[in-house]
Parts: sequence; structure tokens; C-alpha cells
Amino acid sequence: DVKVTQSSRYLVKRTGEKVFLECVQDMDHENMFWYRQDPGLGLRLIYFSYDVKMKEKGDIPEGYSVSREKKERFSLILESASTNQTSMYLCASSSPGQRSLNTEAFFGQGTRLTVV
Amino acid sequence: QQPVQSPQAVILREGEDAVINCSSSKALYSVHWYRQKHGEAPVFLMILLKGGEQKGHEKISASFNEKKQQSSLYLTASQLSYSGTYFCGTEYGGATNKLIFGTGTLLAVQP
Repeated sequence: DVKVTQSSRYLVKRTGEKVFLECVQDMDHENMFWYRQDPGLGLRLIYFSYDVKMKEKGDIPEGYSVSREKKERFSLILESASTNQTSMYLCASSSPGQRSLNTEAFFGQGTRLTVV
Repeated sequence: QQPVQSPQAVILREGEDAVINCSSSKALYSVHWYRQKHGEAPVFLMILLKGGEQKGHEKISASFNEKKQQSSLYLTASQLSYSGTYFCGTEYGGATNKLIFGTGTLLAVQP
């Protein structure tokens, strides 16, 4: 059974803290994504990685950084958490296809982060 | 860059049909469709590639119009299990493999 696992379902952090969200996939996928989900705004791409140590900014990278030291693991880092980063964070992974840039993307269960 | 979906929400009775649209301001390379049930992760439905193809998945099908930079998802004879939020995911090609999702459409099917 394919899996994308996020380290925490719920997280509460204080303003100014450095926060690490971890994502691990067991499908040997090249592509990994971090999205943020907020009501009415859909899924917004924060960062994307297409290979180990390779990353691209998404639509809303400000206040975030990422790390991909191993193929299976993609970490999202909030350098100094703020209340406007309270949200649901979703990790996803996929492989490039022959005719599409991504085949089916698999999502983790999400991390509900609250910054107080 | 985020594609726009319409409508934002729709309420149906079992057996009714619905259409969800996904529009982009940029040329599309391909379109994905996903469904997310409440409290769960989004789940893949289908991919549509350039060439104006139409694909089906049970009673759910979709079309992709490259010229209009638009895709539509068709749900026929809706069932209670179709309830959830539908997202289109767009790929733009070029030098990136980014998958950009839309604003989502909440579908509620009532008995």
C-alpha cells in the first residue's frame, strides 16, 4: 500500500518558534510538494522538489524553507512561526509520466498547525 | 498562477448532474482532478493531456479544451459518495514539473 506519511496530525506552536514539518514517502517518487490548505483558497503550493537537494518556489514561499537531503524525505521549515501561518499543511509526491509531468499524486493526511 | 474553479459550491440531490469548471490564465499542458472527502487526503480521479481528450471514471468524466485553457468535470447521476471538495491540478510545462491546484469546489449530495 503506497504511503505518504506526515510526522504530526496536529501541532501547536508559539509565535517566533522554528517549526519543522516532516514528510516521508515510500514510493521512490522524484517529485515532492508542500501545499497549504485554507478555506476558500484551495491548495496553494509552497515549495516543490524534483530531486534530492533540488527545489523550486511555489506561489507562496515567503516565511518558509524546505530541505530534501534524501529522496524519500521532504521537510518544510517555518523559520519564525507567525499566527498567519496557522493552517492545514499537506505533503504530496508523484513521479514524472511519459506524457504528463506528474503521474497520480499521493497525499499525506495533513498537519493542522496552530500558531499561538 | 492558481487556476480558478467554478462554482465554489453546489448542492445536489441524488441522481442529479453537475459540472465543475477549471480555468487558467496560462496555457495548460495537462489537468488533474482530485476529490477530497471531509477530514481525508485528496484522492486522484484522472489526468487529461493535451489533445482535447475526454476521460471517464465510473459516472465521472472530464474534458480538456486547450484553446480555452479550461477543463470541465462532469458528474452524472450523482451518488451520496460523490460528496466532497473537488480540485483541479494544472501543469504548465516548460522547465518545471510543478502541479498547481485550483480554489476547489465543494459538492454536497443530499438524499
